[in-house]
Amino acid sequence: QSALTQPPSASGSPGQSVTISCTGTSSDVGGHNYVSWYQQHPGKAPKLIIYEVTKRPSGAPTRFSGSKSGNTASLTVSGLLAEDEADYYCSSYAGNNREVFGGGTKLTVL
Amino acid sequence: QVQLVESGGGVVQPGQSLRLSCAASGFSFSDYAIHWVRQAPGKGLEWVAVISFNGRNKYFGDSVKGRFTISRDNSKNTLYLQMNSLRPDDTGVYYCARPITTGGFDFEFWGQGTLVSVSS
Repeated sequence: QSALTQPPSASGSPGQSVTISCTGTSSDVGGHNYVSWYQQHPGKAPKLIIYEVTKRPSGAPTRFSGSKSGNTASLTVSGLLAEDEADYYCSSYAGNNREVFGGGTKLTVL
Repeated sequence: QVQLVESGGGVVQPGQSLRLSCAASGFSFSDYAIHWVRQAPGKGLEWVAVISFNGRNKYFGDSVKGRFTISRDNSKNTLYLQMNSLRPDDTGVYYCARPITTGGFDFEFWGQGTLVSVSS
């Protein structure tokens, strides 16, 4: 199972919006509405910020939003804050009781 | 509150075995499938395995299939990962993770991780 494709880096200034893409195939992203996004700060465990493409778990800031079109999912961070600087990973259910992650995107707040 | 605490990591030589544990508390452990996810140093996340709530169904990622086994003891609220024939590319932090829904693949709660290092 190949990893989902994410850009290695993204950046934006405080207050701006930034979108991170996550491209898979019809077997994973395109075939299931089970895309999740995780935020990971250095030395910390990942934190779930989006699940089932668009849903936010309890406690996740509303400035994080998710969407999907075809085989590509996207995470948008609106109103960037300095604390949003972190690594972001997408994941998707890939059928047959398997999950696949993206390679990760390092978000820099300028 | 939900807590997951991994243990059992360490340094081993290639070909050796290691068993990781994940102690759960703060929720009804026997209701949830639980996953293992790993992260090689400086690399991304990789899904490793999942076990169903009752332990009957187990699924593995391609890179560990046939070498790793997953099990659970619901009476002890504990998850295990038995890792055999370890290779250098198995090196990394191993996390146990609980999904939002009982059988889901969206990981709402994570442990702090335990480090496995495979080196000669």
